[in-house]
This record gives sequence, structure tokens and C-alpha cells, in this order.
Amino acid sequence: QVQLVESGGGVVQRGRSLRLSCVASGFSFRSYAMHWVRQAPGKGLDWVAVISYDGSIEFYADYVKGRFTISRDNSENTLFLQMNSLRVEDTAVYYCARASDTAYVDFDYWGQGTLVAVSS
Amino acid sequence: DIQMTQSPSSLSASVGDRVIITCRASQGIRNDLGWFQVKAGKAPKRLIYAASSLQSGVPSRFSGSGSGTEFTLTISSLQPEDFATYYCLQHNSYPRTFGQGTKVEIK
Repeated sequence: QVQLVESGGGVVQRGRSLRLSCVASGFSFRSYAMHWVRQAPGKGLDWVAVISYDGSIEFYADYVKGRFTISRDNSENTLFLQMNSLRVEDTAVYYCARASDTAYVDFDYWGQGTLVAVSS
Repeated sequence: DIQMTQSPSSLSASVGDRVIITCRASQGIRNDLGWFQVKAGKAPKRLIYAASSLQSGVPSRFSGSGSGTEFTLTISSLQPEDFATYYCLQHNSYPRTFGQGTKVEIK
């Protein structure tokens, strides 16, 4: 069955960096685009970034553009989110999810999330 | 960017009640809308895709309707396990945008 497992979260100081990972299994990872989505404590869901199946196309939310970089390693079935210049407001649970231009697939599977806490 | 306005932000209901949640898009998005259920400590769960298609394994008491700019999620008979927060999401264009959420609480 499809599984997405995030890791790499933790407590980090403002201005520092962190790299999240999402390991995929149960489907052909190299055939699917992938999203990152976050949820700050007590807040709603916010889309963060997407990467195409081959890594050639990326889109970002304005509030992370220039600070976060999404990437992938299809040989390792792994999605990454490099987060630089972290701000207190980046504190959130970060989820990876499968992406597609096809409605049937887009956001159909999500990981359990990894918590990032940015301290001041 | 497409803005998604969801209402109400919260509601109190009893088991067995019919619940309706509304989502409005700032511009037409055809039927490119999904509905998600979020419970504390768990991954979001997709309930509806393409505005009205029921995700496999989701109970039939959940239904979605609408197209263009107006959408609804209906729970026909609320069950104890349905108390959660619900979000709409447009996947018509980037950036993808969610509604603000509707918290469904026990009356």
C-alpha cells in the first residue's frame, strides 16, 4: 500500500536551516509529482511547494519563495524540503502528499507529518 | 491567486444531524475542488475529489456538490467519528489554496 513517511523535523533557532525528508513506498514514486503542505499550531492547512515527477519544475508559496527549496531523489524514492532562514512563523507540522494534474490523484495520499519548531 | 472562502468557521451539531459546509472560490475553478477531514495528530484524509466524487473507502453519508465558484460538503447523518475540522482545497491552479477550515463540534 502507499506510504509516505516524513522525517527531519525538530527544534531549530530562528535564522538556521533544516532539511525534511519524505520516503515513499507502494507506488512508482518517479512517476508522480509531490507536494509539501504545512499546518501551524491551531491554524489551517497551507500549501508550501510542489515538484514535478522528474524534478524539472517547482512552484512555491510566496511566503517560502527564496528560502525553501523542494527537491527529490527518484533513485531513493525520497522527497526533500530544504528550509533556510527559518522564521518563528514557519513553526508547523509539515506533510508530504502525492501531486498530479489529475483530480483523482492530487492530494490522495499524505504522510503523518513531521513537526518543525522554530525558536526565537 | 485563487482565494477560497469557507463557511461557517465552526458549528455545533448532534449525532444524526445533517451538516452542510460551503466553500466559495474567488474565480471559477470548474470542478477542481477537494474536501479533506483533519483530526488532531493524524494525516489529513481526502473525502471528496473533483467536487462530487467520493474517495474510495469514505462512507456514503459524505457528499459534495457544486462547480465554478460555489461548492458544498454535506454530511447526511453526523456520526461520532465525524467530529473534526474540514477543509476545501482548489487544485485548479498554483498556488494551491485551502479554505480556512470548519470545525465540527459536538452539541
